[in-house]
Amino acid sequence: EAGVTQSPTHLIKTRGQQATLRCSPISGHTSVYWYQQALGLGLQFLLWYDEGEERNRGNFPPRFSGRQFPNYSSELNVNALELEDSALYLCASSLSPTATEAFFGQGTRLTVV
Amino acid sequence: GQSLEQPSEVTAVEGAIVQINCTYQTSGFYGLSWYQQHDGGAPTFLSYNALDGLEETGRFSSFLSRSDSYGYLLLQELQMKDSASYFCAVRDLGNTGGFKTIFGAGTRLFVKA
Repeated sequence: EAGVTQSPTHLIKTRGQQATLRCSPISGHTSVYWYQQALGLGLQFLLWYDEGEERNRGNFPPRFSGRQFPNYSSELNVNALELEDSALYLCASSLSPTATEAFFGQGTRLTVV
Repeated sequence: GQSLEQPSEVTAVEGAIVQINCTYQTSGFYGLSWYQQHDGGAPTFLSYNALDGLEETGRFSSFLSRSDSYGYLLLQELQMKDSASYFCAVRDLGNTGGFKTIFGAGTRLFVKA
């Protein structure tokens, strides 16, 4: 069974540009979570989608947005990139909103120059 | 607001026992999880406690005291491969009715020979 897959693995953008990160959850999982992990730091909660709707978001500015598609895959968009947005962006999926275990992808390393 | 506190670093020797503590403050506590992350890898789920008490899974055990807003991860018979970052994570039922998982900053465990 395929795990959570994220693309691209690495992404380099210049300040002010937009970045789009993609995530495919484990088959059958309806919930998708996005986290930001700056170098050497913990995971900061960004967004949670379930059944195509945004269920919750963390303390990030509106230029961080996303969506979930009918097949439960998800996209994270970061507009007007800033240098501080450079981080590892991790996607996780769970079977349902009440499931206690989340499965993480390998992440997308975003570098803003 | 929500916050989690865990030590930034712990060092122990191979074969020993180590305890990683986590204290949390949240408005809609639902459960406490632990995740392990090796350098360059994705976080992987270790355990989940919703009720008070000790949960044991092989060499790893996790404890929760809801009244003290406190939990810990206990690692026994330490092996070199246990060197990693360990994150506690609170599952929180926010006031919007949606779950979210808030991660601590992580504890870096160094296992020495």
